[in-house]
Amino acid sequence: GQSLEQPSEVTAVEGAIVQINCTYQTSGFYGLSWYQQHDGGAPTFLSYNALDGLEETGRFSSFLSRSDSYGYLLLQELQMKDSASYFCAVYTNAGKSTFGDGTTLTVKP
Amino acid sequence: KAGVTQTPRYLIKTRGQQVTLSCSPISGHRSVSWYQQTPGQGLQFLFEYFSETQRNKGNFPGRFSGRQFSNSRSEMNVSTLELGDSALYLCASSRGQGFTEAFFGQGTRLTVV
Repeated sequence: GQSLEQPSEVTAVEGAIVQINCTYQTSGFYGLSWYQQHDGGAPTFLSYNALDGLEETGRFSSFLSRSDSYGYLLLQELQMKDSASYFCAVYTNAGKSTFGDGTTLTVKP
Repeated sequence: KAGVTQTPRYLIKTRGQQVTLSCSPISGHRSVSWYQQTPGQGLQFLFEYFSETQRNKGNFPGRFSGRQFSNSRSEMNVSTLELGDSALYLCASSRGQGFTEAFFGQGTRLTVV
């Protein structure tokens, strides 16, 4: 089967940097995605990593280490609007996607 | 271009009834996946359709079923509703079979009473 672990809650202050980790166990790993979901909203795509390394998109970066079955989402220059739930999701070469339980990020002034 | 459209947005049903939810993917997207999200839980994968074929299915009972039409629109059906089926049902569309980037609809909030 597949399993993902990510912290349930993270708190940080405005302007800070926060890292949300995701470890996974899966066979046939293909890629790792990150999604953001605000309360009452739909998940929105943030990033995707299929190869080892860092992908940067503005204030958000995502990292993957396939050998360690580990990835993280890095949020820089935190803003109040970044308060949301963040989900990592693995995709396998069998075409299955599994989401983590999500990390609730609270940004304080 | 229009995003993923799910209808209805809200639904209240009684135990034992059945329900059909609809999802219209982004134009040109051929893959549609369905997820169940309950409070405090992650997204639980229900099934994925590509070109009218179910490619994958999650660990849900047979009461949960779905289909995809030739225009890529998809429906999911839940029969003999139970209280525990109350959840937000999300549909996601992507261009191909790879899940590199999926676009989610706003979901259908189903309440079973």
